[in-house]
Parts: sequence; structure tokens; C-alpha cells
Amino acid sequence: AQSVAQPEDQVNVAEGNPLTVKCTYSVSGNPYLFWYVQYPNRGLQFLLKYITGDNLVKGSYGFEAEFNKSQTSFHLKKPSALVSDSALYFCAVRDSTANAGKSTFGDGTTLTVKP
Amino acid sequence: DADVTQTPRNRITKTGKRIMLECSQTKGHDRMYWYRQDPGLGLRLIYYSFDVKDINKGEISDGYSVSRQAQAKFSLSLESAIPNQTALYFCATSEGGMGQPQHFGDGTRLSIL
Repeated sequence: AQSVAQPEDQVNVAEGNPLTVKCTYSVSGNPYLFWYVQYPNRGLQFLLKYITGDNLVKGSYGFEAEFNKSQTSFHLKKPSALVSDSALYFCAVRDSTANAGKSTFGDGTTLTVKP
Repeated sequence: DADVTQTPRNRITKTGKRIMLECSQTKGHDRMYWYRQDPGLGLRLIYYSFDVKDINKGEISDGYSVSRQAQAKFSLSLESAIPNQTALYFCATSEGGMGQPQHFGDGTRLSIL
């Protein structure tokens, strides 16, 4: 079975500081990992993904994520936060061995960036 | 125009009523999904369809049904609505393949009194 955990309900950072939103996963096979962002009254928007290859992946709006196989983690990062980054962030996983490509989503982390 | 369009955006109705939520897409994707979002619970999969003739139950399909009318259209029905089905509902699409991301509509906020 596949699962994903976002251990922090809320992350607060000051504008200009680096940010990290944490995600850990569990799969039987190889993981396909995704980050999405949700702004108020909008659907989820795809940010970035890890399929294979380089452990550091870059995505939209200056976000990046680091895949760590030994720690089964896929943390979202940004070197310098903007107030406009404030939103709800979801990590999602697919297991290469199961579920015909269905995704499992974490419960979400609310990021607040203060001026 | 949005690539994934959900109608209505908001709906208030009464217990026992039949409700249909509609989703249409212009992305040309074969795969379509219905999710439910509740505060603090993330997204839970209700039904998914990998092509017009393929319909599959997700983790919380009880009380819901779907219809895939065409490649571009995927409807979710609540046959007899109950208050605990009050939630935000999202439709999503994707291309085939494990590495393909999902593309979401802006959601339908459903309240059942």
C-alpha cells in the first residue's frame, strides 16, 4: 500500500527567508512523487515531480524538492519566500507496483509567509 | 478558458435530493478523476476513469455514482444527498503514465442541509 505524510499542518516563515515543507512517503515499489499548491477558491496546481534521476528537482515559481530514498522523504524548498507563496501545499505519491496509477495525497500543509 | 471546468461552482441543497456535478475538459486526456476535499483530510478519491469504457471505484465511493459520457465529460452524482457529503469536490484529468501530473478544476463547493 502507498501512503504519504505531511507532518506539519502549518509552516510560518518570514518573507525572504528559506522555506521547507516536509513530506515522507511509503511505497512497495518505486515512488513517483508530486507537489501541488492550492490557492483559495482554486483547484490544485502542479508544482514539480520526481520520477527518476537527479535527487534535486526544480519546478514552477522557484520551488525545488529533494528526494531522499534512505529517509523516504521529498521535502519542498524555496531559497527565498514570498508573501505570494502563502497557500496550501499537498504532497502526493504513486507506487510503481500498485493501484494502476492512482495517487495518494497528504493532508496538506498551510504555508504562511509574513512580510 | 479553463482546461478543466466544473459546474456548478457552488450548490446548496437539502437532504435526500439527487445532485449531479459535472466536469468537462479540453486537454484531451483519457484519465479523469473525482476527489473530495475535507479540511485536514487532504483529497480522497471517489471514482476514476481511464477511458470512456472504464470506471473504477476509489476509496470512498459509497453514496456516489459516476458517468463518463465522452472522453471530455465525467459526471458525479449523489443519488440521495446526506449532510456528511458536504465538502469541496474536485475533478482532475491526466495523461496516461505513472509520471504524469493531474490537472484540477476549480472545484464545486457543495452544502447539504
